[in-house]
Amino acid sequence: KAGVTQTPRYLIKTRGQQVTLSCSPISGHRSVSWYQQTPGQGLQFLFEYFSETQRNKGNFPGRFSGRQFSNSRSEMNVSTLELGDSALYLCASSRGDRGGQETQYFGPGTRLLVL
Amino acid sequence: AQSVTQPDIHITVSEGASLELRCNYSYGATPYLFWYVQSPGQGLQLLLKYFSGDTLVQGIKGFEAEFKRSQSSFNLRKPSVHWSDAAEYFCAVGLNQAGTALIFGKGTTLSVSS
Repeated sequence: KAGVTQTPRYLIKTRGQQVTLSCSPISGHRSVSWYQQTPGQGLQFLFEYFSETQRNKGNFPGRFSGRQFSNSRSEMNVSTLELGDSALYLCASSRGDRGGQETQYFGPGTRLLVL
Repeated sequence: AQSVTQPDIHITVSEGASLELRCNYSYGATPYLFWYVQSPGQGLQLLLKYFSGDTLVQGIKGFEAEFKRSQSSFNLRKPSVHWSDAAEYFCAVGLNQAGTALIFGKGTTLSVSS
């Protein structure tokens, strides 16, 4: 079974631009969660999508948004990039409907550098 | 607000020695607790999780963790560390029962000396 894939793996943008990151979950998984990892703040939860609906949301500004498609693939968008948005963005997938039996599988991440 | 504290930023253990990584959480209800490991160039991998029942949880790679409600702790242990265990370890609490929205601690970097 293929794992979680994220594209692109590396990205360089300049301040003020916007960026879209993609995550393809494991086949059969309907939940996709996004996290931001930085040296200073660590791993922070952005949001989770389940069956095309945002189910949980972290404490990030509105510049961070996401969506999920009918095939469970998810995209994350960051508008008006700031230097502080430089980070490793991780997505994780799971079935999302098994309560305590869930295991989240993480992708390798997209490393975003904002100049 | 929910939070997770990992008091040790960096720990060095001799190969073959025992290991304990500390984790304290703040959560109003019964917590759903997780330990993940991240090796250089590798994604996050789930070591173990606690949802209910037995407070001693067994995981992969010989790791175990004990949930202590009275101490708000979920410490990770391994009786004998191998050089390949060198990595960064993250404790997390789930915001939902599905375990799909996690609050992570800042992590503990484990170095293994020979």
